[in-house]
Amino acid sequence: AQSVTQLGSHVSVSEGALVLLRCNYSSSVPPYLFWYVQYPNQGLQLLLKYTSAATLVKGINGFEAEFKKSETSFHLTKPSAHMSDAAEYFCAVSDLGSSNTGKLIFGQGTTLQVKP
Amino acid sequence: NAGVTQTPKFQVLKTGQSMTLQCAQDMNHNSMYWYRQDPGMGLRLIYYSASEGTTDKGEVPNGYNVSRLNKREFSLRLESAAPSQTSVYFCASSRQGSNEKLFFGSGTQLSVL
Repeated sequence: AQSVTQLGSHVSVSEGALVLLRCNYSSSVPPYLFWYVQYPNQGLQLLLKYTSAATLVKGINGFEAEFKKSETSFHLTKPSAHMSDAAEYFCAVSDLGSSNTGKLIFGQGTTLQVKP
Repeated sequence: NAGVTQTPKFQVLKTGQSMTLQCAQDMNHNSMYWYRQDPGMGLRLIYYSASEGTTDKGEVPNGYNVSRLNKREFSLRLESAAPSQTSVYFCASSRQGSNEKLFFGSGTQLSVL
C-alpha cells in the first residue's frame, strides 16, 4: 500500500528565507503526489500535484516541488518565505488499490512558522 | 460558490449518544470522502464513496457508518459516540477519484465527553 512520511512536524524560518518541507513516499506503482495547505480553522487547499508529466511541479503562491524517483522524495520549496505562508502543510499520495478510483493517503503534516 | 458544505461546525456529545454529520457539494462531483484530523496524525480516511451508490471503508472505519444519499450528499453517522472519536472531521469531494483535486469543507469540531 502507498504511504507518505513527512520529516519534521514543525519547521521555523525567517521571513525571506528558503522554505523546505520534506516528504518521502512509498509506492509500488508510479504515484500521483500532492501537497495541500491548511490555514488556521480552514479546510485543506491544493498547492500542487505531480502526475508524471514533469518532475518539477509549480504550484500556487510561489511553491514548487521536485519529484525524485531515486530518492522516493517529493519535497516542497519556496525561495522566499512570507508571513502569510504560516500554515500546516500536508503531503499526500493517491492509492488506487483495486478500484481504480482510490483514496488519498496523507502524511502527518508539517507546521510552518514564519518569523519576522 | 458554496463548494463543500458541512454541518454542524461544532458539536459536543456525551458518550453513547448518536449523531449524523452532513455534507453536501454543489460541483457535480462523483467522489466524496470523510476524513478525521487528529494532532500529529495528519488526516485519516474514514469512508469514501467513489460514485453515487457505492461506499468503501478507509483506514479507520470502526464506529462509523456512511450514507451516499444522492450525488450531492454524503453523511457520516456515529451510532454510539466514544471519547476516542473526539476529532475534527472533514468532508471532501473530487470530480472522479483520488487522482483529481480534492475540495474540502471547513470541518466539524466534535467533542465526546
